[in-house]
Amino acid sequence: KNQVEQSPQSLIILEGKNCTLQCNYTVSPFSNLRWYKQDTGRGPVSLTIMTFSENTKSNGRYTATLDADTKQSSLHITASQLSDSASYICVVTFLSTSGTYKYIFGTGTRLKVLA
Amino acid sequence: DTAVSQTPKYLVTQMGNDKSIKCEQNLGHDTMYWYKQDSKKFLKIMFSYNNKELIINETVPNRFSPKSPDKAHLNLHINSLELGDSAVYFCASSQDWGTSGGALAAETQYFGPGTRLLVL
Repeated sequence: KNQVEQSPQSLIILEGKNCTLQCNYTVSPFSNLRWYKQDTGRGPVSLTIMTFSENTKSNGRYTATLDADTKQSSLHITASQLSDSASYICVVTFLSTSGTYKYIFGTGTRLKVLA
Repeated sequence: DTAVSQTPKYLVTQMGNDKSIKCEQNLGHDTMYWYKQDSKKFLKIMFSYNNKELIINETVPNRFSPKSPDKAHLNLHINSLELGDSAVYFCASSQDWGTSGGALAAETQYFGPGTRLLVL
């Protein structure tokens, strides 16, 4: 069954600290993996998109890694800021047997950065 | 300038009513999407249109009908609203469907602010 699991479900860190969020998937055949940041009450904002041939991609203080062999991805946030407090959603795209692309969403990690 | 806009922002209505949510993007994108986010913050794609043509139609009740009058607009009409339809609905757009150049649907999607629908 195609699934995307994220951990931890929630995380609290102090401002300035680093943190890593995990995304494990069982989706096949894999097309790409995205990380989104969603602030409370707002729409998701794309952070990174990686295809199977990419194993790392950065966007400012956000660095995503992808291991297509173990089907794991992580999102590392460096020197966290209060504005990083948000939900982080992992989304995996795959090509279905009908020839259309499908999206599988993780349930997200809720990050809270404290001063 | 708002890239992807939705109206209304909030919608409170009675069960059984018919309502529409409008979405417009001024990014010149070819592809638009509708997503539903439930009370547990779980996102799910509903529809996608590319150049006014339906390309994704997930398992969604046929009470939901998307309409794309042109590339810049994708509206969502919901008939006979039910309590379970209460959610936040997000519209999004992307440059294209992302299959050109072997991109494998890896296009960046830009989301609107959401429409909070409450069915009483």
